Amino acid sequence: AQKITQTQPGMFVQEKEAVTLDCTYDTSDQSYGLFWYKQPSSGEMIFLIYQGSYDEQNATEGRYSLNFQKARKSANLVISASQLGDSAMYFCAMREGGEMEGGSYIPTFGRGTSLIVHP
Amino acid sequence: EPEVTQTPSHQVTQMGQEVILRCVPISNHLYFYWYRQILGQKVEFLVSFYNNEISEKSEIFDDQFSVERPDGSNFTLKIRSTKLEDSAMYFCASIGDRSEAFFGQGTRLTVV
Repeated sequence: AQKITQTQPGMFVQEKEAVTLDCTYDTSDQSYGLFWYKQPSSGEMIFLIYQGSYDEQNATEGRYSLNFQKARKSANLVISASQLGDSAMYFCAMREGGEMEGGSYIPTFGRGTSLIVHP
Repeated sequence: EPEVTQTPSHQVTQMGQEVILRCVPISNHLYFYWYRQILGQKVEFLVSFYNNEISEKSEIFDDQFSVERPDGSNFTLKIRSTKLEDSAMYFCASIGDRSEAFFGQGTRLTVV
């Protein structure tokens, strides 16, 4: 079973609009972490934002926010005021609880969503 | 801001040759990972390294692969006898205190 599911292979958004990239996850651990990464065409992986399973507030980093809905096991990334430079692949990842919960700290990745921002 | 550095950025090699991919992780981090990404596909975990030894590895990480930290700073991934299907982007990651992975810029390996 997929631990991370990103159902949108591609998304289009107009510059200055907000966009939501979907991510659902599957874990039985109580403690876990969720991450989003951006991969521009140059190939590097850029860490964007982190949400811990015990964090009560949704994480925010500048124009990025994570809409964390624990009961639904979703961790959608919201990008506000899209810019042309936001065009990239976006990966959702999860780190499960670790040895004490019988899991692994190793982040596993979804298949990614390609975001295209057009003027 | 500290960053992970990988060299080379691009390596072309003939099938059957050995390659060594190098990484300098963030200095105060303790866990290091190698991932690979075949063009257009998902990011796949290869191996994790802690305290100078492998802590976990995936099915992809077979006997052709090895990792070392020879001098306490560099972290290397060696592929002993490359195959065409080893062509991919290889990422080194250095793990922060929330287990977020800080990636290097990647090495694009092309096996011909």
